[in-house]
Amino acid sequence: GQNIDQPTEMTATEGAIVQINCTYQTSGFNGLFWYQQHAGEAPTFLSYNVLDGLEEKGRFSSFLSRSKGYSYLLLKELQMKDSASYLCAVMDSNYQLIWGAGTKLIIKP
Amino acid sequence: IAGITQAPTSQILAAGRRMTLRCTQDMRHNAMYWYRQDLGLGLRLIHYSNTAGTTGKGEVPDGYSVSRANTDDFPLTLASAVPSQTSVYFCASSMSSGMDEQFFGPGTRLTVL
Repeated sequence: GQNIDQPTEMTATEGAIVQINCTYQTSGFNGLFWYQQHAGEAPTFLSYNVLDGLEEKGRFSSFLSRSKGYSYLLLKELQMKDSASYLCAVMDSNYQLIWGAGTKLIIKP
Repeated sequence: IAGITQAPTSQILAAGRRMTLRCTQDMRHNAMYWYRQDLGLGLRLIHYSNTAGTTGKGEVPDGYSVSRANTDDFPLTLASAVPSQTSVYFCASSMSSGMDEQFFGPGTRLTVL
């Protein structure tokens, strides 16, 4: 079967750095997406990785290792507005997104 | 309209009733999707459409139907609602059905009693 695993909840301090991990087992791989979802709102796109390595975009970076079936999202200089759920999704061989359950990130002052 | 709109925002429905959730996008995207989101679970694909005039089944299609008569609209119909269809429903679209980011509508919160 297809499976995406990520921690249910994480807590971090304002101004700090946090890494949210995602491991996956899917039928085929056409890239990995990270989305941010604030409570009661729609998911919004953060990043896309299809090749191994690190993609940096401002305070957010995303890493992919295809051989290990592993990705992480790195958030630097945390702000209170970063409190949200972070969703990992893999595009499978049918070009359909398989979604993890999301990691709820709580930022404390 | 800017982006994707969904209607209604929320709805309480009696079991056995028919309900259509509306979704409209103005980005001229070819691909559209319907997901449901339940607590503790990832988004699950219900139906999708790669282009106007075509539709396909996702992971959890039973009890739902869709149509794609034109590029902009992608309604989702529950023929006879059941309590297990209580969920938040998101419509999304992308430029193509390939490796493009998906843009999501604001969601419809549906409760079936």
